[in-house]
Amino acid sequence: DTAVSQTPKYLVTQMGNDKSIKCEQNLGHDTMYWYKQDSKKFLKIMFSYNNKELIINETVPNRFSPKSPDKAHLNLHINSLELGDSAVYFCASSQGGLAGGVNTGELFFGEGSRLTVL
Amino acid sequence: DAKTTQPPSMDCAEGRAANLPCNHSTISGNEYVYWYRQIHSQGPQYIIHGLKNNETNEMASLIITEDRKSSTLILPHATLRDTAVYYCIVRVHMEYGNKLVFGAGTILRVKS
Repeated sequence: DTAVSQTPKYLVTQMGNDKSIKCEQNLGHDTMYWYKQDSKKFLKIMFSYNNKELIINETVPNRFSPKSPDKAHLNLHINSLELGDSAVYFCASSQGGLAGGVNTGELFFGEGSRLTVL
Repeated sequence: DAKTTQPPSMDCAEGRAANLPCNHSTISGNEYVYWYRQIHSQGPQYIIHGLKNNETNEMASLIITEDRKSSTLILPHATLRDTAVYYCIVRVHMEYGNKLVFGAGTILRVKS
């Protein structure tokens, strides 16, 4: 069983389109994240949710809208795609302290979703 | 969060120990040192973390200097599968929501 799974793995689309990337974790964690890795290979956090509540929101265009229907899922919807959105997007999860667990700082990452905007 | 400095790349012979250094001279007392790695085309993988004491797990050992201004990740018997980018990160432990900031990391090449 894959701990953090993302779909799709590859996504090729035209500028101006709207697309979504889905993420699910079966680890029972209460915190989930989206990271972006651009062509220069730097990993940058975009969002973090804890128990469906947004807790980290970096300087990301409004075209990016995360949605967490439950604590096991965190989806990323992107409107009006631009060339600069081409990147690999990684979902991750961790166990926080609010649910009674110990926050070890260990993030579990998915395999990534490579988005190419033409 | 404190900034970290790592060499851009290192080579290691297969079967030998790989020692990856990291400088974090501005680390504060409540910041932990984390190590992650990213094997080509995969998601980052947690390796180990520590605060003051040296730590060891099934993957690696973490040696933190007494003044905590630097640390070394040790892979005791490097294999070809350990070829990856290794990231050293310092971070305050939060109750939830770990905003880990990844730098450029060290590219470790394990050679036969």
